[in-house]
Amino acid sequence: GAGVSQSPSNKVTEKGKDVELRCDPISGHTALYWYRQSLGQGLEFLIYFQGNSAPDKSGLPSDRFSAERTGGSVSTLTIQRTQQEDSAVYLCASKASGGRRQYFGPGTRLTVT
Amino acid sequence: DQQVKQNSPSLSVQEGRISILNCDYTNSMFDYFLWYKKYPAEGPTFLISISSIKDKNEDGRFTVFLNKSAKHLSLHIVPSQPGDSAVYFCAATLVGGSEKLVFGKGTKLTVNP
Repeated sequence: GAGVSQSPSNKVTEKGKDVELRCDPISGHTALYWYRQSLGQGLEFLIYFQGNSAPDKSGLPSDRFSAERTGGSVSTLTIQRTQQEDSAVYLCASKASGGRRQYFGPGTRLTVT
Repeated sequence: DQQVKQNSPSLSVQEGRISILNCDYTNSMFDYFLWYKKYPAEGPTFLISISSIKDKNEDGRFTVFLNKSAKHLSLHIVPSQPGDSAVYFCAATLVGGSEKLVFGKGTKLTVNP
């Protein structure tokens, strides 16, 4: 595929359940980012992966949030014991080495009931 | 503290006229600025960018102006078209580290036929 893909596109879950969101970046892009957009807000940085370097987790809002990137490609964002305030659109972006432009996927809309 | 601000939540213009979207930032270390356009239920799409060493960048109907002394940038769309109706996000980044994007909250542009 040519672009960043994310799955699922929509996820409805009950409060307290765990969820996994998946991101497949553009082939060859070494940098991968997760952002989230809560209602009426701008995009908020969550976590960054670059090659084999230690990820920058400075944007994760709590220890219920974690992410991994396997084989330098696909990434999974996991939210444990979901809360209603976790409801948001979760966006993944990737970037080529040396580039400044980030390419976004379509996002996963998470609703916690 | 919000480092990137878009003070106008919405803007309405007539087709064929100029649209001017504004963005202010507080961190003088930002060295690269981007504008993204977002349609409902889609991820942000890159529109245009500018490096801090320039004061203007033009791409077709879209021009971005940067005033570093005022820490202000603007996006001009001329002529505006109904298909330009979307939410526009201003983002800033600085070289080194994660190069994460810091976003404003967006401006919803409506272009009326």
